Amino acid sequence: KQEVTQIPAALSVPEGENLVLNCSFTDSAIYNLQWFRQDPGKGLTSLLLIQSSQREQTSGRLNASLDKSSGRSTLYIAASQPGDSATYLCAVRVGQAGTALIFGKGTTLSVSS
Amino acid sequence: NAGVTQTPKFRVLKTGQSMTLLCAQDMNHEYMYWYRQDPGMGLRLIHYSVGEGTTAKGEVPDGYNVSRLKKQNFLLGLESAAPSQTSVYFCASSSGGGGSYEQYFGPGTRLTVT
Repeated sequence: KQEVTQIPAALSVPEGENLVLNCSFTDSAIYNLQWFRQDPGKGLTSLLLIQSSQREQTSGRLNASLDKSSGRSTLYIAASQPGDSATYLCAVRVGQAGTALIFGKGTTLSVSS
Repeated sequence: NAGVTQTPKFRVLKTGQSMTLLCAQDMNHEYMYWYRQDPGMGLRLIHYSVGEGTTAKGEVPDGYNVSRLKKQNFLLGLESAAPSQTSVYFCASSSGGGGSYEQYFGPGTRLTVT
């Protein structure tokens, strides 16, 4: 059974720091991996999606990498800002068309000014 | 383009009452999903649909039923609510058949069962 783990569970950093969030999964046979952001009391916003054939994706200050063979993904946030404070969720899609995502429990990030 | 919308946003039920949560998407997506999010448990799939008129069970389907009569709508029903169904419910949709299957989420419904 696929399991997704995110470490650390919580992270506090001062504004301006570059940081890395980690995601690991137990079964390397994934179709894609998605990173989401969730603000308190809100829904999930998709940040980046990496297909299984890709190694990384970039959007602005965000860069996500994927190493299927080792079952790992990282989300790199450059020059963090207080507005980046949120919970970041990693999820993998493992099945055929239509099957759902399996989520990690998230990393809660707090960026202080 | 509203994306994925959910109604209601909040609801309080008494044990044994029934209700239906509505999810609507305007992106012409084939696939739709219902998840629940609980503290310490993460998001878990309840039911999903790969097209109009089709539904399938997810990881935690007991106590819920679903229907997909129209492509743009996916309904989640609780026939006899229990306190264990207190949760935040999220609907999502994605393209299929050659698309990226990137999932887009609604804002959620906060349900409390007393």
